Amino acid sequence: RKEVEQDPGPFNVPEGATVAFNCTYSNSASQSFFWYRQDCRKEPKLLMSVYSSGNEDGRFTAQLNRASQYISLLIRDSKLSDSATYLCVVRGGGGSYIPTFGRGTSLIVHP
Amino acid sequence: ETGVTQTPRHLVMGMTNKKSLKCEQHLGHNAMYWYKQSAKKPLELMFVYSLEERVENNSVPSRFSPECPNSSHLFLHLHTLQPEDSALYLCASSQGQAEAFFGQGTRLTVV
Repeated sequence: RKEVEQDPGPFNVPEGATVAFNCTYSNSASQSFFWYRQDCRKEPKLLMSVYSSGNEDGRFTAQLNRASQYISLLIRDSKLSDSATYLCVVRGGGGSYIPTFGRGTSLIVHP
Repeated sequence: ETGVTQTPRHLVMGMTNKKSLKCEQHLGHNAMYWYKQSAKKPLELMFVYSLEERVENNSVPSRFSPECPNSSHLFLHLHTLQPEDSALYLCASSQGQAEAFFGQGTRLTVV
């Protein structure tokens, strides 16, 4: 089983739609969780951290389910500019602080 | 902009050349990373330098050699590369369990 797994997509949605991505992780001792966004041919940029109680930033909501070992990202009212690859990142556990990246989920928002 | 600066941004080199990629971070972080991202593939961790650990991905060929003279600078020395080494090379830094910040990357083409 891969350490961090994501559905690569692509998710193809119309503007205004709500879309959700899940990411599962294998190390139950993982301590930090993040969502990054990567545009084509650019570097990944932090979208938001994921907290145990869940957190929201505008149209974006992140959730953590430790029991089932997954995190989720919900995007409401999708914009064309949301088209990108969304990377799930997990850190910590087993004495290592190295961030482990999922392969990313591609989102395409169309008019 | 992100506090992590990579040079050069673009590099074209022949298979017999020797070149070095440079990364500098101004964030006071104590860990630095090299990642490779080939076209349409996930991020691949190459090397990590931190106070807690140094990690080398055993699958990385010896034609890539890292150097970390201090906590702010990281180099990736390249020699006798192959065309399949053409990719986006990303440097990142982080502090403890917090999120990693990426440089803009060096787009390397081996001819």
